[in-house]
Amino acid sequence: DGGITQSPKYLFRKEGQNVTLSCEQNLNHDAMYWYRQDPGQGLRLIYYSQIVNDFQKGDIAEGYSVSREKKESFPLTVTSAQKNPTAFYLCASSPRGTSGNYEQYFGPGTRLTVT
Amino acid sequence: QQPVQSPQAVILREGEDAVINCSSSKALYSVHWYRQKHGEAPVFLMILLKGGEQKGHEKISASFNEKKQQSSLYLTASQLSYSGTYFCGTEAAGSEKLVFGKGTKLTVNP
Repeated sequence: DGGITQSPKYLFRKEGQNVTLSCEQNLNHDAMYWYRQDPGQGLRLIYYSQIVNDFQKGDIAEGYSVSREKKESFPLTVTSAQKNPTAFYLCASSPRGTSGNYEQYFGPGTRLTVT
Repeated sequence: QQPVQSPQAVILREGEDAVINCSSSKALYSVHWYRQKHGEAPVFLMILLKGGEQKGHEKISASFNEKKQQSSLYLTASQLSYSGTYFCGTEAAGSEKLVFGKGTKLTVNP
């Protein structure tokens, strides 16, 4: 079955530690996205990538880093510089880089708790 | 800039209708609508492109007023399965990304 997988579903970390969230897709999509969701805030874009080896900052990129070495993978690292990392993280992909004509497909999400 | 959704929440009885609005201060190229159940991933509903078209199927439809930079989602004869949070995502002209609103929580009761 084609789709997007995120692992793990729940992740717990101590403050000051970096943590990497996995996102893999087998839909052969060019574009991939990372969103952060907090209660009552909607989805806020962290980073996005329209092609392998290239990515752009979204609206809340501070304290996060990404890589796009393979078309199917777009891991997100939450660094210790992120002031409030506890949140629900969603990865998405779409067939082409420009979102207008193409829906975004979302993974099941990773709930990160930092204490 | 984040689009504004209204209302923030709505409670319906099964069979009633609802309208959810999404308004942007920017010139828009497209509007996306998604529904999210609690703890799950958002699910795509529809895309409306610049041109003021109206789309939909069965009992869920949407419109896009290009002049006002507004979109509305219409849910008619609501079913229990319609419960969830509805998000609009807007793409400004020349942008490469969607900006999502804060969501509208819809609850349909028997």
